[in-house]
This record gives sequence, C-alpha cells and structure tokens, in this order.
Amino acid sequence: DSGVTQTPKHLITATGQRVTLRCSPRSGDLSVYWYQQSLDQGLQFLIQYYNGEERAKGNILERFSAQQFPDLHSELNLSSLELGDSALYFCASSVVVGGPQHEQFFGPGTRLTVL
Amino acid sequence: DQQVKQNSPSLSVQEGRISILNCDYTNSMFDYFLWYKKYPAEGPTFLISISSIKDKNEDGRFTVFLNKSAKHLSLHIVPSQPGDSAVYFCAASLNNAGNMLTFGGGTRLMVKP
Repeated sequence: DSGVTQTPKHLITATGQRVTLRCSPRSGDLSVYWYQQSLDQGLQFLIQYYNGEERAKGNILERFSAQQFPDLHSELNLSSLELGDSALYFCASSVVVGGPQHEQFFGPGTRLTVL
Repeated sequence: DQQVKQNSPSLSVQEGRISILNCDYTNSMFDYFLWYKKYPAEGPTFLISISSIKDKNEDGRFTVFLNKSAKHLSLHIVPSQPGDSAVYFCAASLNNAGNMLTFGGGTRLMVKP
C-alpha cells in the first residue's frame, strides 16, 4: 500500500459526459501528479500540482483540468468525453519538488471506460 | 517523440537465473532514472533508482546500471523469482521540470518456476 488513494476504482460513462477523479496523496506529500495509461501504452504525464499551485503540464487535453485543494487532495476533471479517453488514470505523490529524491508513489488508479 | 524506450515488450527467464531489462533514452538532460514494477490492477511500485552522477546502484537482488555515453540503463534481477513476474517500467526525471516522470512503454517479465 503506497498510501495514495484514488476514487473511484472503476468508472463507466458515455461519450460527451463529464467525470471527476479524486486523489488523496500520502500524508505529508505536497506534490501530486496525474498520469494516463492507455491500452498497452506506457504512462503519460498529464499535470502536476505542488501545494495547491500548478507546477508542470504535460500532454493534457484542453477538455481535461485539475486542481489541488488546501487539504492537498486533488481532482482531475475530464469533460466532453470521447471513446479514446478510456484509460487507466493514475495519481502519484511525492514529498518535494526538486532535490535528490525523485521517487513518486502511485495510487491504484481509476479505470475509466467511455462507451 | 519517445524520449524513453524499452525495446523489449516481453522477457521470459527461468527461476534462479538473471533477468536483464533494458531501457534507452534520448534526452541527455535527464538527471535521475527510476524503475517501477507493476502488477495487474495495481499502481506502479517504485523499485530502484539511480542518479546521473552514478553508474551503478544496488538494492538486494536488484541492480541498476547507467551508461550515460550510450544513454542506456539496465535493471538486473538476480536471482529471478516467480514473484518478480510483472511489467517493469523505466522512467526518467528532470530536476528542473518539477520531477515529472517520462516513462518507457514497459517490459513484461515472466519468471518460470
């Protein structure tokens, strides 16, 4: 158990809909990262928040957005869903940004299926 | 443009033998490299890492080697055990980019009893 929690575990929805994925980082971790893993693909970085502020952006679609709240949990919002958005979405957390430790600890993921 | 590549999608080894998983990268600015192990229906689990200032890091049965001139790293597992069967991802990080990880496509390791 990494200490990172994600809800829901599974989500099935229809094209055009909007969903929210939730992540709670490990206790004490200030940085939250979101990754997408499509079928048979590696993990693709989407976005990072550090202590409530957006820190880095990857290949995140404009239909997707995220935020980190004062209690450090984060939400990833996916809107106008398309079939191709079906994937595993992972959240990860780490203590600090920069410095010698780069390890990130991953949650169990949310499997999103768009029908 | 894949900056981190794992060219072997799968690898099968006998229990007790050595498993060698390879990873190549193109961005010479990467300064930290990590290996993650992933079981089905679970998130990736951190395994071992290496800083770009080192060429080897060892942790029990796991050793990671880094060849910066070749932009190549490898993970050695000795001896391999059936419980090591999983998908292994290598990842690279840039200190000045918020430590976001760039992942390879993964190698599925199967250790046969």
